[in-house]
Amino acid sequence: GDSVTQTEGQVALSEEDFLTIHCNYSASGYPALFWYVQYPGEGPQFLFRASRDKEKGSSRGFEATYNKEATSFHLQKASVQESDSAVYYCALSDLGTQVVGQLTFGSGTRLQVYA
Amino acid sequence: DTTVKQNPRYKLARVGKPVNLICSQTMNHDTMYWYQKKPNQAPKLLLFYYDKILNREADTFEKFQSSRPNNSFCSLYIGSAGLEYSAMYLCASSRKGYEQYFGPGTRLTVL
Repeated sequence: GDSVTQTEGQVALSEEDFLTIHCNYSASGYPALFWYVQYPGEGPQFLFRASRDKEKGSSRGFEATYNKEATSFHLQKASVQESDSAVYYCALSDLGTQVVGQLTFGSGTRLQVYA
Repeated sequence: DTTVKQNPRYKLARVGKPVNLICSQTMNHDTMYWYQKKPNQAPKLLLFYYDKILNREADTFEKFQSSRPNNSFCSLYIGSAGLEYSAMYLCASSRKGYEQYFGPGTRLTVL
């Protein structure tokens, strides 16, 4: 079945540092790729998506580019703030092989940004 | 309003007792989902309703039931809770193929 791998379980940075969270996927079809963010006490929030090769998704200073050849969708931000501290999930869905394009999530990366 | 609501936020249940969790949305989304989230694990899809049709994942088919009496509400029912059911339960909704909106979750503790 489809799967998503996030390499980093936890990332600790200082404010204004550059962020990269790695996401690789395995899918039988041509999935859409997503990033979600979860703050304490809340459910995951949609950050952005990309649906085709080389498409860049972005929101709130975060961005990721769909790389079909490398099967990757790495999250980056040029300068993190303390308020970015949260858990970030990479996910995929595939309307071509699934009933409604239900999500398959990675295990999440906890980002802690120190002032 | 893009709010998905879940009740209760915290639930304590005894082993062997039933549990019923409630979710609601007012976005007129055709699909509603239930996920189970345990610490340091990915959210795991349990089931979803597409319109009035229930789809349950194969590995959780017999453990969870659900109902959707109307477009806005969806419940998750556990007939006999076991210790392994302790987790966060997340409800989400979407239009088919679009991004999902999540509720804040219900933290279930089974003792």
